[in-house]
Amino acid sequence: KNEVEQSPQNLTAQEGEFITINCSYSVGISALHWLQQHPGGGIVSLFMLSSGKKKHGRLIATINIQEKHSSLHITASHPRDSAVYICAVLGGGTYKYIFGTGTRLKVLA
Amino acid sequence: GAVVSQHPSWVICKSGTSVKIECRSLDFQATTMFWYRQFPKQSLMLMATSNEGSKATYEQGVEKDKFLINHASLTLSTLTVTSAHPEDSSFYICSARGALSYEQYFGPGTRLTVT
Repeated sequence: KNEVEQSPQNLTAQEGEFITINCSYSVGISALHWLQQHPGGGIVSLFMLSSGKKKHGRLIATINIQEKHSSLHITASHPRDSAVYICAVLGGGTYKYIFGTGTRLKVLA
Repeated sequence: GAVVSQHPSWVICKSGTSVKIECRSLDFQATTMFWYRQFPKQSLMLMATSNEGSKATYEQGVEKDKFLINHASLTLSTLTVTSAHPEDSSFYICSARGALSYEQYFGPGTRLTVT
């Protein structure tokens, strides 16, 4: 079992739908990072969380430290949101990320 | 936000030659830089960690003589793939971290194809 699990692995949605991507981890962490990777390969940092909730535009990220779980929500999804979304955790006391396997999102017009 | 660039964005080289990839932090001092490798449809795999002015620390299974890493300044790290072979073809991504933060900022990646 991976230390960082994401679900779903693949997701297809219609434009305008509300999307949720989940990340569960089994290790103690100092922070959790949501990343977006477009088909061209470049990685964009979306959020870094150690507690609570953060919002940026149509994106919302939450984390529950006790339950070792984080969610990334996309409201009013758009085809340009199509990408791979990666959850990465920083283990407590370490600077190294542990990556989830990613969620491949496709938003249809 | 913090910006990390990589050069080149893609490179094709012949088997047996060496290729150098640069990673630069444009608006902050990167005390630590990380090099990752990514195969198609797989997650990032950490290859090595470099601190400015020190030798890089390689992950288990990564050949340090094949993947030479230099972090000579607080804004530049280089990865040189020596005597490249087709199996070295991959997407290489760097990230950088400043002294006061544990957040890593990622570069756009370099696609290496060895023919």
